Amino acid sequence: EAGVAQSPRYKIIEKRQSVAFWCNPISGHATLYWYQQILGQGPKLLIQFQNNGVVDDSQLPKDRFSAERLKGVDSTLKIQPAKLEDSAVYLCASSLGHVLAVGAQYFGPGTRLTVL
Amino acid sequence: TQLLEQSPQFLSIQEGENLTVYCNSSSVFSSLQWYRQEPGEGPVLLVTVVTGGEVKKLKRLTFQFGDARKDSSLHITAAQPGDTGLYLCAGDDTDKLIFGTGTRLQVFP
Repeated sequence: EAGVAQSPRYKIIEKRQSVAFWCNPISGHATLYWYQQILGQGPKLLIQFQNNGVVDDSQLPKDRFSAERLKGVDSTLKIQPAKLEDSAVYLCASSLGHVLAVGAQYFGPGTRLTVL
Repeated sequence: TQLLEQSPQFLSIQEGENLTVYCNSSSVFSSLQWYRQEPGEGPVLLVTVVTGGEVKKLKRLTFQFGDARKDSSLHITAAQPGDTGLYLCAGDDTDKLIFGTGTRLQVFP
């Protein structure tokens, strides 16, 4: 079974530029998550989709970050314009999506973003 | 905002030693997961504990969920270099995970 795919693996941009990340979850997984992980810390949830609807985006900086999951499969996360503090690893995860509890989440390898 | 504090933050030990990592919160979670993350990779689920007081063993790893479901511990017996990584606990907050601050473990041969 193929895992969660993410691209690109690495991205270096200058501040105020824009960047986009792509994620393809495990086939059949209804729930998709985007996390931001600062070096050495635990992942912080940015946005959670259930199929193509947003379940939680309370920690997404909406003035510069946006995400979409068209057709309930692939997803893209965009930052525009980027700031120095956006330097982090952006992780995508997917899960089957349980009604009453969180099941196992399967993570992609992440995209390491460096903003200069 | 619920917080999960892990201790220690860093741990550097020799092969063969035992260690314990703690995950503490003031909030109650319906379940708690432990993940290990290696450099350049995403976290990988190790175990899920659901019942207060539950103990689960995975080879040399022993996981315990506190009776009040606010804390958890991970004990590794006879650590090996392959155990090196970032260990993360994550609490189930109804429909999302709250990740802990992480414990970075380095096991030297």
